[in-house]
This record gives sequence, structure tokens and C-alpha cells, in this order.
Amino acid sequence: AQSVTQPDIHITVSEGASLELRCNYSYGATPYLFWYVQSPGQGLQLLLKYFSGDTLVQGIKGFEAEFKRSQSSFNLRKPSVHWSDAAEYFCAVGLPQGGNQFYFGTGTSLTVIP
Amino acid sequence: NAGVTQTPKFQVLKTGQSMTLQCAQDMNHNSMYWYRQDPGMGLRLIYYSASEGTTDKGEVPNGYNVSRLNKREFSLRLESAAPSQTSVYFCASDRNTEAFFGQGTRLTVV
Repeated sequence: AQSVTQPDIHITVSEGASLELRCNYSYGATPYLFWYVQSPGQGLQLLLKYFSGDTLVQGIKGFEAEFKRSQSSFNLRKPSVHWSDAAEYFCAVGLPQGGNQFYFGTGTSLTVIP
Repeated sequence: NAGVTQTPKFQVLKTGQSMTLQCAQDMNHNSMYWYRQDPGMGLRLIYYSASEGTTDKGEVPNGYNVSRLNKREFSLRLESAAPSQTSVYFCASDRNTEAFFGQGTRLTVV
């Protein structure tokens, strides 16, 4: 069965520090991969996605993610975190089969301290 | 551009009551989804609809029914609400495997 693992439930970083959020997936082939961000009381917003090609993907708000097939990972990074980045981050896989089912990780809550 | 619109935003039900959560998208997407979000569990797929007239069960369909009324609208019904259905519900639609989400419905069953 497919699964998405985000091993870090909560991360705290200082403003201006670098950030890496981890995501691992379990699936027989390479799925479509996504990172979403959710601010309090809001829906999910897409940060970036990977379908194929270049394994380093650039997204909005200065985020990037790198797909590593050998590690079944798709980690999210940002070189310098801003206070407005405090939110919940979800990794997701999309399975292109009869309706494009999406499976989400349990999320990582990011706190940014001044 | 409204995107995906969910109503209501908040709802409190008594155990055993029924209600329908409404969702509409104006992006002409074929696929639509209902998820529930619970603390520490991420988003779990309840039902999805690959196209108008079709619906399929997701991970956690028990206690729910859906209707894909037309291409725009996809409703979720709780026939007899239970406290375990207290959650935040998100509707989504997708284009080229990119999902767009509504703002969510916070449902409390007492």
C-alpha cells in the first residue's frame, strides 16, 4: 500500500535560518510528488510539484524540493526562513489512476522564532 | 476567481443528525475530492469523483455518502452524525494532477 511519511511532527527554527522538511514515500513506481502549505484556518496551497525531469524543483515563496529516487524522498528546503513561513506543511503523492488519487503525510508544523 | 467554494464554514451537529456539506468549483475540473483532516493524521480521502456521474470510495468512506450533482458540484452527506466525525472537511478539485482546495468546513458533533 502506498504511504507518505513525514517524520518530523514539529520543527522550530530561527528567522533567517535554513530549513529542511523531510518526506519519504512508499510506492511501486515514481508517483507525482507535492508539497502543500496550510496557514491556520485556511485551506492548502500548493508550494511545488514534481512529475518528472529535473529532480530539483523550484516553488513559490522561495521553497525548493529535491527528489531522490534511491531514497524515495522528496525533502523541502528553504535557505532563509521568514516569520511568515510559520504554518503546517504537507507532503503528498499523486497516483495517476482513475481520478488522480492524492495521499498526504501527517504534516510538519513549523514554528519560526525571532 | 472563486476556485473551490465550500459551505458551511462551521457547523455543530447533535449525534444522529444529518447534514450535507456543499462544494462547488468554477475551474471546469473533472475530478473532485472530499478529505477529512484530523490532528496528527493529515488529510484522509473520504470519496472522490473522477468525472460527472462517477464516485468512488477513498480511505475512510464509512458513515458518508456523496453526490456528484454536475461537473461543478460535489456534496458530502452525513446521514447520522457521530462524534467520531468531528473533523475539518476539505473539498478539492484537480487539474493535471494539481489539487486545488476549498477553505474547509469545521464540523463538531456533540
